[in-house]
Amino acid sequence: DADVTQTPRNRITKTGKRIMLECSQTKGHDRMYWYRQDPGLGLRLIYYSFDVKDINKGEISDGYSVSRQAQAKFSLSLESAIPNQTALYFCATSVGQGHGYTFGSGTRLTVV
Amino acid sequence: QKEVEQNSGPLSVPEGAIASLNCTYSDRGSQSFFWYRQYSGKSPELIMSIYSNGDKEDGRFTAQLNKASQYVSLLIRDSQPSDSATYLCAVPNSGGSNYKLTFGKGTLLTVNP
Repeated sequence: DADVTQTPRNRITKTGKRIMLECSQTKGHDRMYWYRQDPGLGLRLIYYSFDVKDINKGEISDGYSVSRQAQAKFSLSLESAIPNQTALYFCATSVGQGHGYTFGSGTRLTVV
Repeated sequence: QKEVEQNSGPLSVPEGAIASLNCTYSDRGSQSFFWYRQYSGKSPELIMSIYSNGDKEDGRFTAQLNKASQYVSLLIRDSQPSDSATYLCAVPNSGGSNYKLTFGKGTLLTVNP
């Protein structure tokens, strides 16, 4: 099993629908992150969490919300999806200062 | 906003050549630096980390860091077609416990057989 698991892998949804992307990890890391990746724009941080009670906005949090249900689970929600939220979404974990991230396999989301 | 800059490429090299990928960053206080490889449609994979000025070698990969010039590079020796991917430079914010990485937009490398 993968260390960082994202579900679903692919999703097509309609404008205005609420959608949740899920991330779970078995690495035991406290720090979890949600990024989106768009061609030409790179990886941009949406939200991050350092423990269950510590959730922080990233550079592009508008239109998104998150929930840290447990140390191992961090979900991203689009309250009312719009087409410009079509992107590849990655969850990542880290053990902390001075360490890199481990990424999940990604969720390709298309909003039509 | 901390910035991490990379040439977008594409960088095209023949098989067996040395590929050189460059990255500059704006946060002078950054202490650790990372290179990720990302195949098309896949997730980024950490391939190198470097913390001190100078070179760090791992197999065919060498990371080079110059903190005074705020410059980090990745050299790939004996490039193989399987090295064809986008390479992302990542730099953390400096100071405090608010640890998060800023990524460059990546350099697309193509290794031609």
